[in-house]
Amino acid sequence: EAGVTQSPTHLIKTRGQQATLRCSPISGHTSVYWYQQALGLGLQFLLWYDEGEERNRGNFPPRFSGRQFPNYSSELNVNALELEDSALYLCASSLTGGQGKDEQYFGPGTRLTVT
Amino acid sequence: AQTVTQSQPEMSVQEAETVTLSCTYDTSENNYYLFWYKQPPSRQMILVIRQEAYKQQNATENRFSVNFQKAAKSFSLKISDSQLGDTAMYFCAFRFLFGNEKLTFGTGTRLTIIP
Repeated sequence: EAGVTQSPTHLIKTRGQQATLRCSPISGHTSVYWYQQALGLGLQFLLWYDEGEERNRGNFPPRFSGRQFPNYSSELNVNALELEDSALYLCASSLTGGQGKDEQYFGPGTRLTVT
Repeated sequence: AQTVTQSQPEMSVQEAETVTLSCTYDTSENNYYLFWYKQPPSRQMILVIRQEAYKQQNATENRFSVNFQKAAKSFSLKISDSQLGDTAMYFCAFRFLFGNEKLTFGTGTRLTIIP
């Protein structure tokens, strides 16, 4: 069974541009989560999507947005890129939303570099 | 808001020895989950072990065990008979039992197993 996949692996953008990151969850999983892993800051929760709806978002500005498609895949958009947006962006999926016991399975991440 | 603190940025231990990674957390909630995740170099994050706060018994998974002290809000990970493949970043994480899906992570401990 395929795990969580993310594309692209690496993304290089310049300040002010927009970045789009993509995530495909494990088959059968309906919830997708996005996390930012910036150097020295650990992982910060960005967004949670379940059944096509945004259910929760972390303490990030509105230029971080995303969506979940009918096939449960998701994309994360970052507008007006800033240097501090450089980070590893991790996507995770779980079987259902609303139950804390469900394990989140992580993808390999997209390394975003803003120059 | 809940917080998770890992006070050991880096640790190293000889192969076959036992090592303990520390984690403390702060929450006003009574029902939650605690996790240890492992992120090997250039590889995907995987779940090592999970503890339900309502269970008094400490979780164990093969060579990995936890010491969960609810009153002290402490959740340490013990790795016995450490192996070279245990070299990784280890993250402690917190999650509510219901309704709030995000994982709150500590800043991680970089563990190196020395041959």
